[in-house]
Amino acid sequence: DVKVTQSSRYLVKRTGEKVFLECVQDMDHENMFWYRQDPGLGLRLIYFSYDVKMKEKGDIPEGYSVSREKKERFSLILESASTNQTSMYLCASSSIDRENQPQHFGDGTRLSIL
Amino acid sequence: GIQVEQSPPDLILQEGANSTLRCNFSDSVNNLQWFHQNPWGQLINLFYIPSGTKQNGRLSATTVATERYSLLYISSSQTTDSGVYFCAPGRNNNDMRFGAGTRLTVKP
Repeated sequence: DVKVTQSSRYLVKRTGEKVFLECVQDMDHENMFWYRQDPGLGLRLIYFSYDVKMKEKGDIPEGYSVSREKKERFSLILESASTNQTSMYLCASSSIDRENQPQHFGDGTRLSIL
Repeated sequence: GIQVEQSPPDLILQEGANSTLRCNFSDSVNNLQWFHQNPWGQLINLFYIPSGTKQNGRLSATTVATERYSLLYISSSQTTDSGVYFCAPGRNNNDMRFGAGTRLTVKP
């Protein structure tokens, strides 16, 4: 089974702090994704990466950056956390295999910015 | 980007009832996935179904790509089916767009 592990289930930080959210997958997937989930809005894509050191902006990249130095690890960085970044953050990974491309999600990190 | 509408937004069922969830999308797609988010927040992939029909136990899904909709059928619902169901269509796996979801509550 695919395992996507997010480093924290709950996290509380202060406004202005630099925040790192880590995600690791164990299936050698090429694609990795970061989403945020807010009530009534579904999931919105922040960034994705299709290879090591490669990244593409999603729909809401402002205020975030990402890092992918190794294939199995994808980090989301809040450069200077603000209260409007309080949300549930979900990481996902997928293979580029044409036949079957489901995304597999981690359990999420509920981040509160005070 | 692709616009996604899911209906109904909320659904309450008695255990054992059947239900149909609908997903309309605004553009042609090569990728569509259905997910279930349980009450603990975990997102589980149910189907990868850009077209055609698939079945997995009490769940089945049909996507009619030419008419830009997908349906998720739940038969003989159980309390463990409760949660939020999302559909996510996209042109490829890197640009999926999630709908706002259907919140399903199954009562014993």
